[in-house]
Amino acid sequence: EAAVTQSPRNKVTVTGGNVTLSCRQTNSHNYMYWYRQDTGHGLRLIHYSYGAGNLQIGDVPDGYKATRTTQEDFFLLLELASPSQTSLYFCASSGLSQNTLYFGAGTRLSVL
Amino acid sequence: QQKVQQSPESLIVPEGGMASLNCTSSDRNVDYFWWYRQHSGKSPKMLMSIFSNGEKEEGRFTVHLNKASLHTSLHIRDSQPSDSALYLCAASDSNNRIFFGDGTQLVVKP
Repeated sequence: EAAVTQSPRNKVTVTGGNVTLSCRQTNSHNYMYWYRQDTGHGLRLIHYSYGAGNLQIGDVPDGYKATRTTQEDFFLLLELASPSQTSLYFCASSGLSQNTLYFGAGTRLSVL
Repeated sequence: QQKVQQSPESLIVPEGGMASLNCTSSDRNVDYFWWYRQHSGKSPKMLMSIFSNGEKEEGRFTVHLNKASLHTSLHIRDSQPSDSALYLCAASDSNNRIFFGDGTQLVVKP
């Protein structure tokens, strides 16, 4: 099964803080996605990418930047974190278009 | 507006019973559907996919798709306590954006 590793697993920061969430996949997948999941809700798409240097906008991009530095690595950046960004963040990858998503274990972020 | 709507929000079925979950997309650009299952404290895992009109069966799980109405349903027969989880419907558009609904929380009571 595809391996997707997220770090850190847990992060606490203060309002206005700067946070970077990391995601690495080792299966040469083209597509990578960042989602957030709030309690009792499904996943909301923040950003996604179909290759190194590419970035596509999702449904809830405000307050988030992302960068795909290599085929393997996709980063989510919160430059001025706000309490509304407290959430569980999932990274996922897929090999081809219209293909199964493989998820990382998630990063739980708290913004105080 | 959420592009994928799921119903019911929660469902309780007895062990051995049938669970039926529904999903509809309001986006006419959507063309592929998946069902994912997320156990408490875990990440989602793909359960079934369906891309063509009709029905697909895998063991105790059956999924239906009507592309004209952009409606899919998941049916779990002989439900087991281990099936208790959040079931997420996902759909993709021609830009490979993959959207999820808010999920149906299924509880199977022994």
